[in-house]
Amino acid sequence: AQSVTQLGSHVSVSEGALVLLRCNYSSSVPPYLFWYVQYPNQGLQLLLKYTSAATLVKGINGFEAEFKKSETSFHLTKPSAHMSDAAEYFCAVSSGNTPLVFGKGTRLSVIA
Amino acid sequence: EPEVTQTPSHQVTQMGQEVILRCVPISNHLYFYWYRQILGQKVEFLVSFYNNEISEKSEIFDDQFSVERPDGSNFTLKIRSTKLEDSAMYFCASSLTSGGPYEQYFGPGTRLTVT
Repeated sequence: AQSVTQLGSHVSVSEGALVLLRCNYSSSVPPYLFWYVQYPNQGLQLLLKYTSAATLVKGINGFEAEFKKSETSFHLTKPSAHMSDAAEYFCAVSSGNTPLVFGKGTRLSVIA
Repeated sequence: EPEVTQTPSHQVTQMGQEVILRCVPISNHLYFYWYRQILGQKVEFLVSFYNNEISEKSEIFDDQFSVERPDGSNFTLKIRSTKLEDSAMYFCASSLTSGGPYEQYFGPGTRLTVT
């Protein structure tokens, strides 16, 4: 079985500060890993995904994530937060033909 | 850009009533999914659908739930007799193919409130 743990249900950063959202996964087979973002009243939008190619993955809106097998982690980062980054962020895992397994989500607040 | 749409955005129903949640997946996608998120909890997989049949379902997807693709564009989730615990946000998703690294595109969700 696969699972995802997102540390911190709510993260607050100042505008211009580093964003770090944590995700740890558990999988008995090589995983595919995803970060989705949800803005208010909208659906889940894919930010980036890890597909066993490069371990450092770049996504949209300046976000990136690094796959670390030894730490079973896939943390999401952005060097400089913008007000528009305020949203809910979900980490998810799948493998082969399995459905997505999501974490509980982290709400990011950006303070001016 | 193509997108997944869902209607209604919010549905209020009384316990025991039947509800149908509707989704229009992206037109050339072949795989369709329903997920739900109870307030404050994880997004959970309910069911996947391919070639007019269920390909996988979770423990949550019991006999009270059913899915259908009644025509070439709509994909519906029916709950026959709603319970209070069915109150949640329901997300529809579609993908060109299944599993692996392939992106699932999500709709905006339907908030179901059972009173």
